[in-house]
Amino acid sequence: DVKVTQSSRYLVKRTGEKVFLECVQDMDHENMFWYRQDPGLGLRLIYFSYDVKMKEKGDIPEGYSVSREKKERFSLILESASTNQTSMYLCASNTRGETQYFGPGTRLLVL
Amino acid sequence: AQSVTQPDIHITVSEGASLELRCNYSYGATPYLFWYVQSPGQGLQLLLKYFSGDTLVQGIKGFEAEFKRSQSSFNLRKPSVHWSDAAEYFCAVGLVGNEKLTFGTGTRLTIIP
Repeated sequence: DVKVTQSSRYLVKRTGEKVFLECVQDMDHENMFWYRQDPGLGLRLIYFSYDVKMKEKGDIPEGYSVSREKKERFSLILESASTNQTSMYLCASNTRGETQYFGPGTRLLVL
Repeated sequence: AQSVTQPDIHITVSEGASLELRCNYSYGATPYLFWYVQSPGQGLQLLLKYFSGDTLVQGIKGFEAEFKRSQSSFNLRKPSVHWSDAAEYFCAVGLVGNEKLTFGTGTRLTIIP
């Protein structure tokens, strides 16, 4: 079974803090994705990575950066967290052209 | 621009009744099509997918979906819902050679006894 894990299920941070969300997959997938999910807006792609050290902006990259130093790990970074980044963050991975598999999500609250 | 529409924000059905969730897309080419389900507090689980071939696809948990090119639709159906089907359902669309998916805004399904 494909397994995508995220480092935290719930996270509470303060405005201005630097926040790291970690995602690990165990299926040797080339692609990894970060989405945010908000009520009424569905899932929106923040960034994705198609190989180690390679990344591409999604639909809403502003205020976020990513890092992929190893194939199995993809980090989402909020350089200076703001209250409008309070959301559910979902990581996914896949092999090219195949189904994306999702992690359980991290619910982030920025105070 | 590419888009995916799920016109129903919330649907309530009785246990044992049939279900149809609507999904329409706007794409320039034949897309890949997916339905995912999300139980409360969980990530997304794939229900079924359409890449090519037979336009009626079967998925897990007794769900099926039909791709209708002429209507740009990929509606999800189940003949008899169970209380455990209460969840949020997302339609997603992708293109050949493009790894990005576009998701609809989701339909929340409530089951009443």
